[in-house]
Amino acid sequence: DADVTQTPRNRITKTGKRIMLECSQTKGHDRMYWYRQDPGLGLRLIYYSFDVKDINKGEISDGYSVSRQAQAKFSLSLESAIPNQTALYFCATSERQVNYGYTFGSGTRLTVV
Amino acid sequence: AQKVTQAQTEISVVEKEDVTLDCVYETRDTTYYLFWYKQPPSGELVFLIRRNSFDEQNEISGRYSWNFQKSTSSFNFTITASQVVDSAVYFCALNDTGANSKLTFGKGITLSVRP
Repeated sequence: DADVTQTPRNRITKTGKRIMLECSQTKGHDRMYWYRQDPGLGLRLIYYSFDVKDINKGEISDGYSVSRQAQAKFSLSLESAIPNQTALYFCATSERQVNYGYTFGSGTRLTVV
Repeated sequence: AQKVTQAQTEISVVEKEDVTLDCVYETRDTTYYLFWYKQPPSGELVFLIRRNSFDEQNEISGRYSWNFQKSTSSFNFTITASQVVDSAVYFCALNDTGANSKLTFGKGITLSVRP
């Protein structure tokens, strides 16, 4: 099994629908992140969590919310999806000492029509 | 605030050519980490290298090499004798070591290697 698992891998949804992207990890890492990738824009940070009780907005949090249900689970929600949220979403984890690097999930490709 | 600039957006080379991908970063921290990731057409992110700010030694791994120069805030990546399988998007990223440290990515460079 992958260290960081994202579900679903692909999703097509309609404008206005609520959708949740899920991320679970077996690394035992405290820190979890959600990034969004758009062509030509790189990966941009949406939300991050340094522990279960610590949730922080990233640079592009508008239109998104998150929930850290447990150390191992970090979900990203789009309350009312819009077409410009069509993107590739990545979940990542890290230890507190970031010199050990990051572990990324395989990504969720979301299309909002 | 930290920033990573990958000025090249797309590079196209013919197989066996050498190619250098540029990365320039900005940070106020004295301790930080630099990364390169590869994203093949399948979409996953593949970790290539991590380098801390105190280690300016160049690194070579097979056909890949990295040149870190603090004086110019650059961490460039060279692929020697490129192959078609090197075709991918390559991201440079920076992580400081403050209490709220996060990984900041550049916009990526799309490398196409033609047979």
